[in-house]
Amino acid sequence: AQSVTQPDIHITVSEGASLELRCNYSYGATPYLFWYVQSPGQGLQLLLKYFSGDTLVQGIKGFEAEFKRSQSSFNLRKPSVHWSDAAEYFCAVGAYNTDKLIFGTGTRLQVFP
Amino acid sequence: DSGVTQTPKHLITATGQRVTLRCSPRSGDLSVYWYQQSLDQGLQFLIQYYNGEERAKGNILERFSAQQFPDLHSELNLSSLELGDSALYFCASSVGASGLPRYTFGSGTRLTVV
Repeated sequence: AQSVTQPDIHITVSEGASLELRCNYSYGATPYLFWYVQSPGQGLQLLLKYFSGDTLVQGIKGFEAEFKRSQSSFNLRKPSVHWSDAAEYFCAVGAYNTDKLIFGTGTRLQVFP
Repeated sequence: DSGVTQTPKHLITATGQRVTLRCSPRSGDLSVYWYQQSLDQGLQFLIQYYNGEERAKGNILERFSAQQFPDLHSELNLSSLELGDSALYFCASSVGASGLPRYTFGSGTRLTVV
């Protein structure tokens, strides 16, 4: 069965520090992979997505993610975190044959000044 | 604005009651998906409609039902509500039956059951 694991429930970083949020997936075929961000009480905003091609994907707000098939990973990175990046981040994998998204449990990012 | 409209934004109701959540997809999108985000279950897929027909079903309770109308808007009906149904309900839309490249979420309806 398809699944997504985000091993870090909560991460705290200082403003200006680099960030990496981990995501591992289990999927039988080439997956469609997504990262979403959710601010408190808000909806889901798409940061970036991977379908095929270049394994390094650029997204909005200075985020990027790298697809590593050998490690079944799709980690999200940002070189310098801003206080406004504090939010919850969700990794998701697309189940192609049913067109639904399977989400990880999320990583809550806290940013200290 | 994602183009996917969900109403109402907030809903407070009592246990045992019935509510209807509404979703208007982005213009041109034929598929509508419903998701539930709760503290204990996380974000879970409930159901998908494509051009008026049910296409995929997830972890949707029998007390819940959905439909998609000819104008492509969708409604999620929740009945015999329980405290555990309190959650954020998201709608998403995409252009086709397999529309992951253009999947777009609405801002959600927060349901509180008291």
